Parts: sequence; C-alpha cells; structure tokens
Amino acid sequence: DTGVSQNPRHKITKRGQNVTFRCDPISEHNRLYWYRQTLGQGPEFLTYFQNEAQLEKSRLLSDRFSAERPKGSFSTLEIQRTEQGDSAMYLCASSSGVAASRTGELFFGEGSRLTVL
Amino acid sequence: AQSVTQLDSQVPVFEEAPVELRCNYSSSVSVYLFWYVQYPNQGLQLLLKYLSGSTLVKGINGFEAEFNKSQTSFHLRKPSVHISDTAEYFCAAFTGGGNKLTFGTGTQLKVEL
Repeated sequence: DTGVSQNPRHKITKRGQNVTFRCDPISEHNRLYWYRQTLGQGPEFLTYFQNEAQLEKSRLLSDRFSAERPKGSFSTLEIQRTEQGDSAMYLCASSSGVAASRTGELFFGEGSRLTVL
Repeated sequence: AQSVTQLDSQVPVFEEAPVELRCNYSSSVSVYLFWYVQYPNQGLQLLLKYLSGSTLVKGINGFEAEFNKSQTSFHLRKPSVHISDTAEYFCAAFTGGGNKLTFGTGTQLKVEL
C-alpha cells in the first residue's frame, strides 16, 4: 500500500495557463475527494467521486475547473485560464468500504501546491 | 449545514508543558469527529477519531481528545508536548448521511524550548 499519491507536488504557472493535477488513490478505495487549502485556512471541499461517477461539486468549483475519474481509479483536476486566486494547495483524499464512507474517514495525499504568477 | 470552529489560530507552548487545542462543532444529528495534523509542505495525517462509544479517544503521538455532546466540543489534549509536535492541527466533522468532511480553520501549535 503506497498511500494516496499526487503529482506534481509543485507547479508554478503564469496567469492564463492551464494546469492539470493527478491523484492516484489507495488501490481498493472507491471514493475520491478533492479539497483546496489556501494559506491560513482549513481544507475546503471541491468535489468527490464514487467510482467513476462525480456525485457532488462545491460552488467553489467554477466552470474553469473540471475533474475526472475515467475508470474509477486515478483522477485528474484541471484548471483552465488560471488566476492568481487559484494559488493554493490541492489535496486529494480517498476512502473505502461502507464503514469508512459512513464515518467520513479520509486518507490524504501530500498535496499539489499551485502558484500562479 | 455542518460547521467546525477552532477559536485559537495559534497556540504557543513550551516543551514538556501540557496543551489543549479547542474544537467546537454544530450539529443536531449524529456526528463523527476527527483531528488531523499537517506538517509543513505535507498532507494531512489522521491523529484520532471519535465514531461512537467511549468519549475519551486516544490517538497517535500521545494525543487524546474528549467528545462532549452537551458542549458540542471535541478538544485535543497532550499532557507533555515535544518540539516535533510543532504543526498545524485541524478538527473535522462528518455528519451521518452526508458526503464530505468539514474542516475547521486550523490551529498552529508552536512548541518552544
């Protein structure tokens, strides 16, 4: 078990460029979550998948953001036309099993830090 | 909607002193509570969780927390802190039937010599 893996760990981009982050969850986990964390704040929910289905999206997820989980395994989070306000840590988490889904326990990756210049 | 409040944004403490990090939640239904720790430039690591049963929950690294339903609190404690405990601590809540963890804004614990 290698845990939740995210890449790249750091991304610096210029305003207006597109960026994509990848998350590989723990292999047997069927739920996958994306959170955003800005400086001095707690993680804020963006979206989550159960298998390949995207079941909930936050209002924080503007139309410039899109997330996919095509085969129910890894997921990608793409941000188009980045803005300076998108600078944040993007965290991925996964969970598995009926009990974990009921209790909300999540296993987090180390995050992808985005800096938009 | 579920909300989690961490009133203390920073808590400085000397090494080997006790510490308490406060967390209050709002929920009128059953709730599951968590404390996560985040070291610089790293993801979140689960410290402990309250799901049911005993209201005193023990976690890793000598931390414990007590669930108090009447005060809607879930404060984190450690009787003697170490320099290596310096980190950001997040309280989180999950409401049964909901779909996501809701986090507080975090408390920066700074342990000094």
